[in-house]
Amino acid sequence: DVKVTQSSRYLVKRTGEKVFLECVQDMDHENMFWYRQDPGLGLRLIYFSYDVKMKEKGDIPEGYSVSREKKERFSLILESASTNQTSMYLCASSHRQGLNTEAFFGQGTRLTVV
Amino acid sequence: KQEVTQIPAALSVPEGENLVLNCSFTDSAIYNLQWFRQDPGKGLTSLLLIQSSQREQTSGRLNASLDKSSGRSTLYIAASQPGDSATYLCAVPLLSGGYNKLIFGAGTRLAVHP
Repeated sequence: DVKVTQSSRYLVKRTGEKVFLECVQDMDHENMFWYRQDPGLGLRLIYFSYDVKMKEKGDIPEGYSVSREKKERFSLILESASTNQTSMYLCASSHRQGLNTEAFFGQGTRLTVV
Repeated sequence: KQEVTQIPAALSVPEGENLVLNCSFTDSAIYNLQWFRQDPGKGLTSLLLIQSSQREQTSGRLNASLDKSSGRSTLYIAASQPGDSATYLCAVPLLSGGYNKLIFGAGTRLAVHP
């Protein structure tokens, strides 16, 4: 079974804390993505990476950064958490090109910033 | 700009009914379309990936069709069961600078009651 694993299902952090969300995939995928999902707003892309050490901003990168030091791992960093970053965070991965670009998602991390 | 729309937004049906979920997209130059299922508070599960060269793809009681020329895809669920209750999302990849990222519809929330 293909696997995308997010390090935590639930997190509670304080305003101003630096927060790390980790994602690991075992499918040798080139692409990895971080989305956030909020009621009424759907899935919004924060950042994606198409190779080790490479990253591209998505639609809502403000307040976030990412790190991809190894192919299988993609980290989302909230530099100084704020209450408006309370959300469900979803990691995904896929092959970069070609016909088989089926995307697979992790189980999600529900982050609450208090 | 690619936009993906799903109709209806919500659907409630009795168990045993056959049903159709709709997905439309504005730019027909896609090379695949993916259907996902999301249970409350969970990540997305890939159901079907249908390539642009295909008309249909089947998995168990699910059948997805694709009509690129009209910008539509349908997900057919046969003999619905309460366990099918979930939100169903469709997504198409957007090629951007050689990298593919997914554009999602807002989803159809399905409730199957006994």
